Amino acid sequence: GEDVEQSLFLSVREGDSSVINCTYTDSSSTYLYWYKQEPGAGLQLLTYIFSNMDMKQDQRLTVLLNKKDKHLSLRIADTQTGDSAIYFCAEGLFGNEKLTFGTGTRLTIIP
Amino acid sequence: DVKVTQSSRYLVKRTGEKVFLECVQDMDHENMFWYRQDPGLGLRLIYFSYDVKMKEKGDIPEGYSVSREKKERFSLILESASTNQTSMYLCATIRGGTDPVEQFFGPGTRLTVL
Repeated sequence: GEDVEQSLFLSVREGDSSVINCTYTDSSSTYLYWYKQEPGAGLQLLTYIFSNMDMKQDQRLTVLLNKKDKHLSLRIADTQTGDSAIYFCAEGLFGNEKLTFGTGTRLTIIP
Repeated sequence: DVKVTQSSRYLVKRTGEKVFLECVQDMDHENMFWYRQDPGLGLRLIYFSYDVKMKEKGDIPEGYSVSREKKERFSLILESASTNQTSMYLCATIRGGTDPVEQFFGPGTRLTVL
């Protein structure tokens, strides 16, 4: 993996949708991941997408992958205060346990 | 549930001190990782270990060493702490040979070097 870029901050009103974006550079990445870090805690896997998929939906979470542009996004519908966290995207290669993490996006919810 | 524990949540040390950060996991995972987390830089891999006594350098190993004498325990050592090693340190673990990769993280140790 090489550099994985994210915006550092995002503020969203409670109830609105949040969209967190990520760009990566390694076109051979097999899986792309979203991890969530709540205050005072380590990271936790939120969801992932295999590189041959365009979209994955899991309850309030939608992951979109544009392989041509090397762009990954995470949409959180109906954002709640409990969604306040830092979100990291990460890329990995098949059979390789190492991941390359992005810079992280701090999501703040406005009441 | 996988449990990954780190020996301290907060640590304050002086420049030049030798610092040990300990990580213990209870799930018999082969692979363990040490990262540091800095604002705007994300997570950067310091070292990882894929088995007892086996280690590999990550992206930023300078100033650090590691020890893995037992499968469940992975230690990060700062031989002579410096102020630029003030950071959040995160340990992670995964079972070998799995895809997709789910890394399980400890809660982190916030180290301040004065």
